[in-house]
Amino acid sequence: AQSVTQPDIHITVSEGASLELRCNYSYGATPYLFWYVQSPGQGLQLLLKYFSGDTLVQGIKGFEAEFKRSQSSFNLRKPSVHWSDAAEYFCAVRPANAGKSTFGDGTTLTVKP
Amino acid sequence: DAGITQSPRYKITETGRQVTLMCHQTWSHSYMFWYRQDLGHGLRLIYYSAAADITDKGEVPDGYVVSRSKTENFPLTLESATRSQTSVYFCASRTGLAGTNTGELFFGEGSRLTVL
Repeated sequence: AQSVTQPDIHITVSEGASLELRCNYSYGATPYLFWYVQSPGQGLQLLLKYFSGDTLVQGIKGFEAEFKRSQSSFNLRKPSVHWSDAAEYFCAVRPANAGKSTFGDGTTLTVKP
Repeated sequence: DAGITQSPRYKITETGRQVTLMCHQTWSHSYMFWYRQDLGHGLRLIYYSAAADITDKGEVPDGYVVSRSKTENFPLTLESATRSQTSVYFCASRTGLAGTNTGELFFGEGSRLTVL
């Protein structure tokens, strides 16, 4: 069975600083990979996804992620964080032939003024 | 308004009572899912459905029952609620169409359930 690890439970960055959230997965083949964001009291919203092709994918709100097959990683990045980016971020994987996704435990992002 | 809606958004109940959480989507997505979200556990899959009348267990199905008689609805029932089922419950859906099977999940806003 696939698994997802988000090593950082909580990250704090200053507004305007760069951000990288880590995601590692365990699966025999390359699954579909997703990053979701959850604002307080809300459901999850897709930031970006990877399923094939260019390993650097662009998403909404200025986020990007890079798939590295050799490291089984799909890290999320943003060059300059805004206060409105404070939220919880979830990495998820789904094998190409599977119906269900597996989520990491999430990383809470705090943005300092 | 199109989308995925959950009801009720907030519910307080007592141990042993039956509770049903409703989920309705207007996209005719074939797949629907129920997750629970607890501190320290992220999102855990309870049940999912690939189509009407097809359901399957997820990671934490014990104590829950689902049905899917219509594509657009996927209710989750706690037959005899326990305190450990106090949680935030999220419904999600996605397309299962061939060629779009990379589809992402669309989530409802959640139902916060407290079992006293």
